[in-house]
Amino acid sequence: QKEVEQDPGPLSVPEGAIVSLNCTYSNSAFQYFMWYRQYSRKGPELLMYTYSSGNKEDGRFTAQVDKSSKYISLFIRDSQPSDSATYLCAMKGEGNAGKSTFGDGTTLTVKP
Amino acid sequence: GAGVSQSPSNKVTEKGKDVELRCDPISGHTALYWYRQSLGQGLEFLIYFQGNSAPDKSGLPSDRFSAERTGGSVSTLTIQRTQQEDSAVYLCASSSKRTSGRVYNEQFFGPGTRLTVL
Repeated sequence: QKEVEQDPGPLSVPEGAIVSLNCTYSNSAFQYFMWYRQYSRKGPELLMYTYSSGNKEDGRFTAQVDKSSKYISLFIRDSQPSDSATYLCAMKGEGNAGKSTFGDGTTLTVKP
Repeated sequence: GAGVSQSPSNKVTEKGKDVELRCDPISGHTALYWYRQSLGQGLEFLIYFQGNSAPDKSGLPSDRFSAERTGGSVSTLTIQRTQQEDSAVYLCASSSKRTSGRVYNEQFFGPGTRLTVL
């Protein structure tokens, strides 16, 4: 069983919809929880990260972490066609740097 | 400013040949990572360099894989005797020096090298 499981998708939503992307994990040592966005044939780029449990909001994006359930989510409000990409969750243990463990990604298409 | 660059962007090789993939990190970044991304999969950690410390090689899948980082900057990932299962996109990332506290050191990714082993 993988340490990080991500809802596989793909997801297709109309413009303006609220999107929910989710990951579960098994390693209780994870402390940093990241969401990356990856456009086709590009490297991933960090959208946002959260340390430990809680919520974090950045514009139309909200990240939630529930360590008791080992469950994380990314919500996208008022989705736009430019949000169409693959979204990867990633996690790592204590310490600012070092390897991260990634989910397999969810491909999102937002239709105009 | 320049981001992380990787070369070549595409590499097609025959089974059994050796390949070298190059990564130029962002200037001044002390940490460098290699990941592998197979089709439709997430990123698989391969190796991590941090300054002059011994690298974390725990993700290298076999002894056919090795990596070097010369002068604390450019890194080369070498795959010997390539196999078809080595076909993937190889991504390099770099991040700045560790800071104190709970600030995550963002990893900046290059565009990757797409390796195809025939």
